[in-house]
Amino acid sequence: EAQVTQNPRYLITVTGKKLTVTCSQNMNHEYMSWYRQDPGLGLRQIYYSMNVEVTDKGDVPEGYKVSRKEKRNFPLILESPSPNQTSLYFCASSNRGRGGGGAEAFFGQGTRLTVV
Amino acid sequence: AQSVAQPEDQVNVAEGNPLTVKCTYSVSGNPYLFWYVQYPNRGLQFLLKYITGDNLVKGSYGFEAEFNKSQTSFHLKKPSALVSDSALYFCAVRDMRDDKIIFGKGTRLHILP
Repeated sequence: EAQVTQNPRYLITVTGKKLTVTCSQNMNHEYMSWYRQDPGLGLRQIYYSMNVEVTDKGDVPEGYKVSRKEKRNFPLILESPSPNQTSLYFCASSNRGRGGGGAEAFFGQGTRLTVV
Repeated sequence: AQSVAQPEDQVNVAEGNPLTVKCTYSVSGNPYLFWYVQYPNRGLQFLLKYITGDNLVKGSYGFEAEFNKSQTSFHLKKPSALVSDSALYFCAVRDMRDDKIIFGKGTRLHILP
């Protein structure tokens, strides 16, 4: 089954304790992205990746890191989480838009992070 | 930079009535446009997309959307709403220059029985 898998689904952590949210896709997609969803603000892009070893900042990258060492995985790293990073996070993947028929994105189920 | 606007935070429609959820966009060049739906405690699900061709595109669950280049709009429509259509709807645009997918803030659709 084609899917994007995020782990964990729920996470409560303390300020300053490094954490990683994993994301894996089994569709051989080149494009992967992380979003955070906050009430009234919709989905905001944190980082995206066009391919292995190619990443770029989205609209709200501060406080986050990503890596793309393998095509299927795109982990989101919070080196020193703060309460303002409490949010619902989504990973998404797709084929490239150009040449990929304007490919639509597939989303993971989300990770609800609370930083206290 | 590309952007997407969904001017309504919430739309209320009586069951059986037609519904419209509005979306306008700004992008250089030809846009790829999408609609997604999010049910409670779920990820986003793809509904439909416009790439090129016919301005009226049909998607899942009886939804359709009309692309209007002159008004830079891509409104989501359904002829007869169901209570089960109640959800959060997102419009998105993909800019072919940098391949980023940008989402609007979402519109919560309430279908009243």
